[in-house]
Amino acid sequence: AQTVTQSQPEMSVQEAETVTLSCTYDTSESDYYLFWYKQPPSRQMILVIRQEAYKQQNATENRFSVNFQKAAKSFSLKISDSQLGDAAMYFCAYRTLTGANSKLTFGKGITLSVRP
Amino acid sequence: DAGVTQSPTHLIKTRGQHVTLRCSPISGHKSVSWYQQVLGQGPQFIFQYYEKEERGRGNFPDRFSARQFPNYSSELNVNALLLGDSALYLCASSLGQWDYEQYFGPGTRLTVT
Repeated sequence: AQTVTQSQPEMSVQEAETVTLSCTYDTSESDYYLFWYKQPPSRQMILVIRQEAYKQQNATENRFSVNFQKAAKSFSLKISDSQLGDAAMYFCAYRTLTGANSKLTFGKGITLSVRP
Repeated sequence: DAGVTQSPTHLIKTRGQHVTLRCSPISGHKSVSWYQQVLGQGPQFIFQYYEKEERGRGNFPDRFSARQFPNYSSELNVNALLLGDSALYLCASSLGQWDYEQYFGPGTRLTVT
């Protein structure tokens, strides 16, 4: 079974600074998706960024980028120029490309606070 | 366009009771998945339905059941509620069964006393 580990329960960053959120996962599969989701206090889960395992190039979405290390099974999220609106819980998630369904396996999440 | 909607927003039930949670996917989306998010934890997969058929089930007891209707809306039913069922229940929809992006609703907060 696949597992996703987020070992940092909380992090804090100064507004306009850069922060990196860590995630590791365990799988025996070679093809899969990895995601970072954001869950603000209003609770609606929003997709931040995704990475296909077969792609060597790290995904980037505006101020958000990932560092995907397939061999190390590591998938970190870098937020540049942090803004107050980035404060939320962030979840790392894994999705297989095989099997009967497209379930997401989530980590425990990390609470990010942004200091003005 | 309306996003995924869930009802009710909050619910308080007593141990042993039954509860029904409802989800309406984004228009045109045919796949609905349910997740349970206990406070302080990440969401855990309960079910996926696509074209009204169950396509996946997580590690939850038989007290949990779901169905999908012809209009692709879905219900999650939980029987014989336990204190441990207290959680945020999230519904997510996607266009097809295998689309990588799932759109989440705001959730239903269930409290079992």
